[in-house]
Amino acid sequence: EDKVVQSPLSLVVHEGDTVTLNCSYEVTNFRSLLWYKQEKKAPTFLFMLTSSGIEKKSGRLSSILDKKELFSILNITATQTGDSAVYLCAVEYHRGSQGNLIFGKGTKLSVKP
Amino acid sequence: DSGVTQTPKHLITATGQRVTLRCSPRSGDLSVYWYQQSLDQGLQFLIQYYNGEERAKGNILERFSAQQFPDLHSELNLSSLELGDSALYFCASRQGHNSPLHFGNGTRLTVT
Repeated sequence: EDKVVQSPLSLVVHEGDTVTLNCSYEVTNFRSLLWYKQEKKAPTFLFMLTSSGIEKKSGRLSSILDKKELFSILNITATQTGDSAVYLCAVEYHRGSQGNLIFGKGTKLSVKP
Repeated sequence: DSGVTQTPKHLITATGQRVTLRCSPRSGDLSVYWYQQSLDQGLQFLIQYYNGEERAKGNILERFSAQQFPDLHSELNLSSLELGDSALYFCASRQGHNSPLHFGNGTRLTVT
């Protein structure tokens, strides 16, 4: 069965800490992996990864994909209270002429002042 | 603002009823995805349309159906509603496989 597993499920840190969120997957015909941040409503896009070993960076956030070991990590340095959210990992794969994009259950990050 | 518009924002209805959720994708996006999000299940993929045609199906119940119209807006129809259908329903759109999904703000459905 195709699946995406995120860990930890929840995390509490203090401002200024660095965190690493994990996403592992088991799918056939992998196409891409995406990270999203969800606060109160719609998930907002962070990164899209298709190639192994190439780090994507945006400010204090960065992510990398390992297609051999089937996982990705999302790093957040110097965390701020505004980083508190659920971080979602999604994997896109294709099966025949059809594609699918499935999400993990998310990591809930709480950053305390 | 993602550019994806969903209506209504909230919907309260009774068991056994039927509702229609509407989604307008971002300008230029041909693909529309529907997801259901409940507290214990996370984001569950329901169905995807591309330029009016169904492209992929996930865990969508037979009581649910969807379509994408020539103007690319999409509707998700939920019938014979049960208490367990209460959830946040998201629509998302994208240009193609090499582009990210952009989500609407969702429709919160409460079945009483």
